Amino acid sequence: KQEVTQIPAALSVPEGENLVLNCSFTDSAIYNLQWFRQDPGKGLTSLLLIQSSQREQTSGRLNASLDKSSGRSTLYIAASQPGDSATYLCAVDVGGADGLTFGKGTHLIIQP
Amino acid sequence: DGGITQSPKYLFRKEGQNVTLSCEQNLNHDAMYWYRQDPGQGLRLIYYSQIVNDFQKGDIAEGYSVSREKKESFPLTVTSAQKNPTAFYLCASSIDLSREQYFGPGTRLTVT
Repeated sequence: KQEVTQIPAALSVPEGENLVLNCSFTDSAIYNLQWFRQDPGKGLTSLLLIQSSQREQTSGRLNASLDKSSGRSTLYIAASQPGDSATYLCAVDVGGADGLTFGKGTHLIIQP
Repeated sequence: DGGITQSPKYLFRKEGQNVTLSCEQNLNHDAMYWYRQDPGQGLRLIYYSQIVNDFQKGDIAEGYSVSREKKESFPLTVTSAQKNPTAFYLCASSIDLSREQYFGPGTRLTVT
């Protein structure tokens, strides 16, 4: 059964720093991988979707990479801002019936 | 505005009562999902529906029921058989299975 792990569980950095969030998964047979942002008490906002055939996706200051063979993805946030403070969730889709399998998230705090 | 709505935002019930959570989408998506989120855990799939009048159990379907009579709507009933119903419930939709999922704002259910 697919398992998704996110490291670190929590991260606090000063504003302006570049940072990397890590996601690993146990079964490399995935259809896609999604990164989400969740603010306290809110739903999930999709940030980036990487199809299994892709190596990376970019949106503004965010860049996500995917290495299927090693079962890893990273989310790179450039020039972090206090508004980036949130929990970031990684989820993989193995296709068909199972929906998304989520990691437990990285709780990110950007200090002003 | 296109999107997914969930109501109510907060719901309180006494133990032993059934309760129905609403999920509506106007994205013309075929697939819809229900997830449950508990503190310190990743989201877990309760039920999903690929198309109208069809739905399948996810990882933790016991104590829950759903219906999909309309494309736009996928209500979730939390029955008295669910042993730990207090949680944050999230509904999602996608064009079809294994495509990017979009989430609603969630319903926080508290059962006492």
